[in-house]
Amino acid sequence: AQTVTQSQPEMSVQEAETVTLSCTYDTSESDYYLFWYKQPPSRQMILVIRQEAYKQQNATENRFSVNFQKAAKSFSLKISDSQLGDAAMYFCAYSSGGGADGLTFGKGTHLIIQP
Amino acid sequence: DTEVTQTPKHLVMGMTNKKSLKCEQHMGHRAMYWYKQKAKKPPELMFVYSYEKLSINESVPSRFSPECPNSSLLNLHLHALQPEDSALYLCASRGPGTASPYGYTFGSGTRLTVV
Repeated sequence: AQTVTQSQPEMSVQEAETVTLSCTYDTSESDYYLFWYKQPPSRQMILVIRQEAYKQQNATENRFSVNFQKAAKSFSLKISDSQLGDAAMYFCAYSSGGGADGLTFGKGTHLIIQP
Repeated sequence: DTEVTQTPKHLVMGMTNKKSLKCEQHMGHRAMYWYKQKAKKPPELMFVYSYEKLSINESVPSRFSPECPNSSLLNLHLHALQPEDSALYLCASRGPGTASPYGYTFGSGTRLTVV
């Protein structure tokens, strides 16, 4: 079974600074996807960024980028120029290529933005 | 339309009641999922539907009964629930498409309280 581990229950960052959220995973599959989802208090689960395992290039979406280390099974999220609206729970998630088993989530990291 | 719509947003029900949660998407996604999320925890997979067929039931008690009448609609029928079933119930869909290729799109959830 796949597992996803987020070792930082809570992180705090000053507005406009950069923060990195950690995630490691374990799988024996070769075809899979990794995701970061954001869940603000409004509870909507919002896709932040995704990475296909077969792609060596790290995904980026505006201020969000990942450091995907396939051999180390590490998938960290970097948020640059942090904004107050980035405050939320961030979940790292794994999906097999076919998606038949849905998403496996880490326990989440609560991100606090200090003004 | 790039959304997953869940109704109702809030539901309070007694332990002897019968109620249903509804989830709808019009993105042409052929995989749909029910997740249960307790406070400060990650979502836990309950059911997976692929092409309107139930493909995964994660040992969910029979008081939860899923139904997929067509490719756009997913229901979760509730009967004789227990107070510990109080949680946020999230619906998600997955598939290639313009919204989020190979990503999962979540609804905003139904906050269920069992009294």
